[in-house]
Amino acid sequence: DVKVTQSSRYLVKRTGEKVFLECVQDMDHENMFWYRQDPGLGLRLIYFSYDVKMKEKGDIPEGYSVSREKKERFSLILESASTNQTSMYLCASTPTGANYGYTFGSGTRLTVV
Amino acid sequence: GQSLEQPSEVTAVEGAIVQINCTYQTSGFYGLSWYQQHDGGAPTFLSYNALDGLEETGRFSSFLSRSDSYGYLLLQELQMKDSASYFCAQEDDKIIFGKGTRLHILP
Repeated sequence: DVKVTQSSRYLVKRTGEKVFLECVQDMDHENMFWYRQDPGLGLRLIYFSYDVKMKEKGDIPEGYSVSREKKERFSLILESASTNQTSMYLCASTPTGANYGYTFGSGTRLTVV
Repeated sequence: GQSLEQPSEVTAVEGAIVQINCTYQTSGFYGLSWYQQHDGGAPTFLSYNALDGLEETGRFSSFLSRSDSYGYLLLQELQMKDSASYFCAQEDDKIIFGKGTRLHILP
């Protein structure tokens, strides 16, 4: 089974802190994605990457950056955390080509205080 | 931008059939997917329609009509464990999700 592992299930950070959310997948998928999920708003795409060192902005990239130095790892960075970034963050991966669907990690619930 | 519309909540009875609709505005996408998410869990992939028509996977079926800008997920023989949120998702170079439909199942 494909596994997408997010490093933390719950995280509490202070306003202004730099926050790193880590995501690792073990099936050699080319494509990786970061979403945030908020009640009533569904899943919104923050950033995605089709290859190592490649990144593309999603629909809500403001206040975030990403890093993909290795194929299996895609990191989401909150440069200066704010309370409106309190959310559930979900990482996903998928191979290029035929549709196998996205495989999601279990999510990181981030609270910024 | 892309926009997918689906009902926010649907209620059905155990053993019955329920249809969750998804309408969209943007054409020219690769396909329409459906995901299931239980409370506290991650979304899991259910089905994908690249072409018009019905795709069947056990108790779940998904339908797409590009000419009508419309798709649906059909769940048969509902079980209590099917209580979850269901998301339609439009696949292009990236996936855009609808806001989800919360399915409540009554015994």
